[in-house]
Amino acid sequence: GAVVSQHPSWVICKSGTSVKIECRSLDFQATTMFWYRQFPKQSLMLMATSNEGSKATYEQGVEKDKFLINHASLTLSTLTVTSAHPEDSSFYICSARDANDPKETQYFGPGTRLLVL
Amino acid sequence: AQKVTQAQTEISVVEKEDVTLDCVYETRDTTYYLFWYKQPPSGELVFLIRRNSFDEQNEISGRYSWNFQKSTSSFNFTITASQVVDSAVYFCALSEVGSWGKFQFGAGTQVVVTP
Repeated sequence: GAVVSQHPSWVICKSGTSVKIECRSLDFQATTMFWYRQFPKQSLMLMATSNEGSKATYEQGVEKDKFLINHASLTLSTLTVTSAHPEDSSFYICSARDANDPKETQYFGPGTRLLVL
Repeated sequence: AQKVTQAQTEISVVEKEDVTLDCVYETRDTTYYLFWYKQPPSGELVFLIRRNSFDEQNEISGRYSWNFQKSTSSFNFTITASQVVDSAVYFCALSEVGSWGKFQFGAGTQVVVTP
């Protein structure tokens, strides 16, 4: 079945550095991908919608200059956390929709754990 | 605006007991999808079920069953004869057709099954 991968699965970085997280649809094309963030013991919160070939749409309260999203191809979306700080430490999960699936099934990636020291 | 409420923060049961997880949702749309996901300690979301708003039939899959009642805006989930492997956080989620793909998740219910 369709699979969504994320890389890296976990990352530790120093405060002030930038971190890039990749989300790939492995055997299907995804014109739209979504990025979620989950703090410990909390629910998943939608951060932004990533649209292939156009600008991402951010949810209210999410800083677009801090969380840069690029969806340059039908199988890859990247989330860059710029100038990361400890409060950005979280579990980041992407999801993707198969553009050719009539059932419009949504697939979630395995997540990326970010720890900012 | 859509909203999903899972009032139970944590449920602890002994193996073989049944456990029911409540989910109440709010939406203005007439067409929407409801989901249940399991999140084990690894963090990866495990898809359990998707139900569209026009299908109120209850569903059973092995030890899992779901009760969808549109009249009360509820989509409850029951695990029968729980097992230790069922220990996880369970999320109920809603996605409206108008914004398909955008999931509104409930707060989650931690299920702890002890031997």
